[in-house]
Amino acid sequence: GDSVTQMEGPVTLSEEAFLTINCTYTATGYPSLFWYVQYPGEGLQLLLKATKADDKGSNKGFEATYRKETTSFHLEKGSVQVSDSAVYFCALSSTSGTYKYIFGTGTRLKVLA
Amino acid sequence: EADIYQTPRYLVIGTGKKITLECSQTMGHDKMYWYQQDPGMELHLIHYSYGVNSTEKGDLSSESTVSRIRTEHFPLTLESARPSHTSQYLCASSEYPEGPRYSPLHFGNGTRLTVT
Repeated sequence: GDSVTQMEGPVTLSEEAFLTINCTYTATGYPSLFWYVQYPGEGLQLLLKATKADDKGSNKGFEATYRKETTSFHLEKGSVQVSDSAVYFCALSSTSGTYKYIFGTGTRLKVLA
Repeated sequence: EADIYQTPRYLVIGTGKKITLECSQTMGHDKMYWYQQDPGMELHLIHYSYGVNSTEKGDLSSESTVSRIRTEHFPLTLESARPSHTSQYLCASSEYPEGPRYSPLHFGNGTRLTVT
């Protein structure tokens, strides 16, 4: 079945450091891919998405490119801020026709001033 | 902006009590979901609905039940709460996709349930 494998955390970075959180997926067909962010005490918020191969999703300085050849959707940001501290989830839309979404296990990011 | 609302935000209740977690959305979305989020952050789908009078069990076995009598409302009920039900419960909704373009999930802020 469809699955998402996400880099384990926690990831601790200094402010202005470069961020990469790895995400790879397994799916038949062509899923849409998403990154969500969860701040403490809140639900998940959509950060960015990509719906077909080679699409680049971007938002708030974060980027991720849908790479079908490597089945990857890595999240990157050139310069992180303390306010980026949160949990990040990679997800895909199931290709089984059930309208379900498959989530990775989440990566906690802590940015130090 | 919160177009999907969950109440209560926090609930502490004793073992054996019946509880209902409320979820409402104002976006007219047909699909709605309940996730259980464990302390390790992982999300587990426990129920979902394709529309009114449609409900399905998710991937994680749950002793809860759901109903979908109105498009905007998707409550989750526990008939007899137990300490093992202590968790965060997240409600979400999405539109039907247009072709291959799946729309993203919209999440509420969650209900943190503690059963003593």
